[in-house]
Amino acid sequence: QQQVKQSPQSLIVQKGGISIINCAYENTAFDYFPWYQQFPGKGPALLIAIRPDVSEKKEGRFTISFNKSAKQFSLHIMDSQPGDSATYFCAATPRGQNFVFGPGTRLSVLP
Amino acid sequence: EAGVAQSPRYKIIEKRQSVAFWCNPISGHATLYWYQQILGQGPKLLIQFQNNGVVDDSQLPKDRFSAERLKGVDSTLKIQPAKLEDSAVYLCASRLAGGLGGELFFGEGSRLTVL
Repeated sequence: QQQVKQSPQSLIVQKGGISIINCAYENTAFDYFPWYQQFPGKGPALLIAIRPDVSEKKEGRFTISFNKSAKQFSLHIMDSQPGDSATYFCAATPRGQNFVFGPGTRLSVLP
Repeated sequence: EAGVAQSPRYKIIEKRQSVAFWCNPISGHATLYWYQQILGQGPKLLIQFQNNGVVDDSQLPKDRFSAERLKGVDSTLKIQPAKLEDSAVYLCASRLAGGLGGELFFGEGSRLTVL
């Protein structure tokens, strides 16, 4: 019940395209859903986050869509750029305690 | 503002040897986490501290792993004796406080290779 599932495992997108990564969870106690971006040799860094009281949050080219009833949330990267090539992790936490991470999606944006 | 500092960045040891990793969180961050990230996987929580008290160590292999956070600031994670399957990146993260809100900040990690 603590697991967060993430798909796809890897994603290749052309420059300017839309990248979509999906996550699903079971634990209804989760109340904070961040997305982290990790470049090789670096630690994960917060990209964008959402709470379940809203269905969508947009920051620049990055949008989180949240479906509380389906217990799913997704990251959309509009106008994907080669610099977006990284590994993306969704995560969830109940009341700010243990952050549970998905297995990650390796995104490659082709120039 | 200085980020989360970790050392060493890289460590190679033989199995059954011991190793220690150090973490200095962002100043004022009460909550500190150690995560294990095996290649190709997401970070997995090992232990969470709130100030100098342990909040969650349910996934810490206590027969070989130990961690402490003296004085509620920096922290040390120790592995003794190391096994081949301990090869991973050990990430330290800190957060302003537990409870609602607060971004999780990660260090760059300590990469351990056990031969």
